[in-house]
Amino acid sequence: GQQLNQSPQSMFIQEGEDVSMNCTSSSIFNTWLWYKQDPGEGPVLLIALYKAGELTSNGRLTAQFGITRKDSFLNISASIPSDVGIYFCAGLYSGGGADGLTFGKGTHLIIQP
Amino acid sequence: GAVVSQHPSWVICKSGTSVKIECRSLDFQATTMFWYRQFPKQSLMLMATSNEGSKATYEQGVEKDKFLINHASLTLSTLTVTSAHPEDSSFYICSARPIMEQYFGPGTRLTVT
Repeated sequence: GQQLNQSPQSMFIQEGEDVSMNCTSSSIFNTWLWYKQDPGEGPVLLIALYKAGELTSNGRLTAQFGITRKDSFLNISASIPSDVGIYFCAGLYSGGGADGLTFGKGTHLIIQP
Repeated sequence: GAVVSQHPSWVICKSGTSVKIECRSLDFQATTMFWYRQFPKQSLMLMATSNEGSKATYEQGVEKDKFLINHASLTLSTLTVTSAHPEDSSFYICSARPIMEQYFGPGTRLTVT
């Protein structure tokens, strides 16, 4: 089955720093999604990417759909305390069926004041 | 974005009993919903795809007789954990996709004693 490699697994940064995380896949996806999950809650959609090469921003967040369709990155600029949480990438390949998502293992972001 | 709700948000039950979890799409119709399971500090694992008006599709290794799924309407899917055991304790999350983006419910924390 499809697998996503998400890195880094965790990040310890200072408030105000920029953050970068990425996902790579052994196979292509049609859609890349980035989610943030706070403890005890469901994932919240941050950014959705639909086209290879697409670069999309949502406030301080920027994500790109890799040209090869096998990778994506998420950047967070000027981190603030509420950015703490677990970030998941997810890939979707709609081969005609109603497929679920393939998730990365998550990047745990910890911000030190 | 689209809203997905779950009920209950948490439940404690005794070993051997059954528990039903509801997933509703509040502002859109969903012919397909997805059920995930998440263990602490791990990523989401797709359990099954719920199809309105037909049988659910289960992922490999998920017992269909233990995790009963019913998708009776375009806005409601239910997951029933039958004869629950302590190892079934987990965080169960449903999701639905109005178009391409997939939105998650807030999750249900199940604890089996």
